[in-house]
Amino acid sequence: EAGVAQSPRYKIIEKRQSVAFWCNPISGHATLYWYQQILGQGPKLLIQFQNNGVVDDSQLPKDRFSAERLKGVDSTLKIQPAKLEDSAVYLCASSFSGGVTYEQYFGPGTRLTVT
Amino acid sequence: KQEVTQIPAALSVPEGENLVLNCSFTDSAIYNLQWFRQDPGKGLTSLLLIQSSQREQTSGRLNASLDKSSGRSTLYIAASQPGDSATYLCAVKNRYPDSNYQLIWGAGTKLIIKP
Repeated sequence: EAGVAQSPRYKIIEKRQSVAFWCNPISGHATLYWYQQILGQGPKLLIQFQNNGVVDDSQLPKDRFSAERLKGVDSTLKIQPAKLEDSAVYLCASSFSGGVTYEQYFGPGTRLTVT
Repeated sequence: KQEVTQIPAALSVPEGENLVLNCSFTDSAIYNLQWFRQDPGKGLTSLLLIQSSQREQTSGRLNASLDKSSGRSTLYIAASQPGDSATYLCAVKNRYPDSNYQLIWGAGTKLIIKP
């Protein structure tokens, strides 16, 4: 079974530029998560989707971050414009459902450096 | 509000030693607790998942214990090897549906095994 795929794996941009990350979850997984992990910290949930609907985006900085999952499968996370403090690893995870019994499976992450 | 703490933040030991990593949480109403490994700038690899009804889980040289009443979990690594060098994170899943069953993360322990 293929795991969660993410691209690109690494990205370096200058501040004020825009960037987009892509995630393809495990086939059949209805729930998709985007996390931001700053160096030395645990992951912070940015947004949780159930199919193509948003369950929780309370920690998403909506003035600069946006995410979509239009067909309930792939998802993109965009930052526009980027700031230095956005340098982090962006992790995508998926689970069969958002219920308590279902485990999250993580992709390899995208390492973003903003200069 | 659930909080997860990992102590120490960093640990350096000689190869071959047995070691213990600690994770504590403030609310005992958890559904499960999970230990992850993360190599620098990379994604998360699940190591062990302990259900709230379990006391411990083992995988190879790794043993994780859970004491829900005291809000503690330990990850025991036997006969450490340089390849064990990584950051180890623990995460708990609350059993409350209003939490969307999201993972609450510790900041991790950075482990260095010296050859």
